[in-house]
Amino acid sequence: NAGVTQTPKFQVLKTGQSMTLQCAQDMNHNSMYWYRQDPGMGLRLIYYSASEGTTDKGEVPNGYNVSRLNKREFSLRLESAAPSQTSVYFCASSGTSDGASGYTFGSGTRLTVV
Amino acid sequence: SQKIEQNSEALNIQEGKTATLTCNYTNYSPAYLQWYRQDPGRGPVFLLLIRENEKEKRKERLKVTFDTTLKQSLFHITASQPADSATYLCALGGTGRRALTFGSGTRLQVQP
Repeated sequence: NAGVTQTPKFQVLKTGQSMTLQCAQDMNHNSMYWYRQDPGMGLRLIYYSASEGTTDKGEVPNGYNVSRLNKREFSLRLESAAPSQTSVYFCASSGTSDGASGYTFGSGTRLTVV
Repeated sequence: SQKIEQNSEALNIQEGKTATLTCNYTNYSPAYLQWYRQDPGRGPVFLLLIRENEKEKRKERLKVTFDTTLKQSLFHITASQPADSATYLCALGGTGRRALTFGSGTRLQVQP
């Protein structure tokens, strides 16, 4: 099925550990995004990539890094996890640079940092 | 700073009634507004887009209005069904903006 695939679906980390969240889309979209969702705070943009080879910081980039490996894949890395990074992480893609065509989201990664 | 407000309290309505959800924003001049549906444990799903020069948009049982003077969008679901129960998010965007800005969503519960 066409869409956005995120792995893993669940993860528990100890404080200070590192991990990479994977995201891949098969819709030939140029734009890809990483958001985190916390209760009562909505979706907040971490990083985005307007096209292959480019990445930019969003609203809450501290503690994260990203890689746009190719047109399909956009990964999010936590170098030294902190409890404040406990959240649900969503990857999304869009066929237009301004997002007007709507975003397609993955099913999310639920991360707990203890 | 930019702010998007959606009612954080759940909306409970009876099956068959019209559900109306509100999205208000400040310090923002969006070129368009979008509505998404999110079910528990799932990612948001795009429903509708309305542009700043459009007053109203319809799609099946859904109707969205956009008042740029009031800085408000209303999202209506007519003849609501229990299957419509979900959280609904509004999002603002436009030319030159890096990505969509989302509200925190309103949970709708349709009672049979």
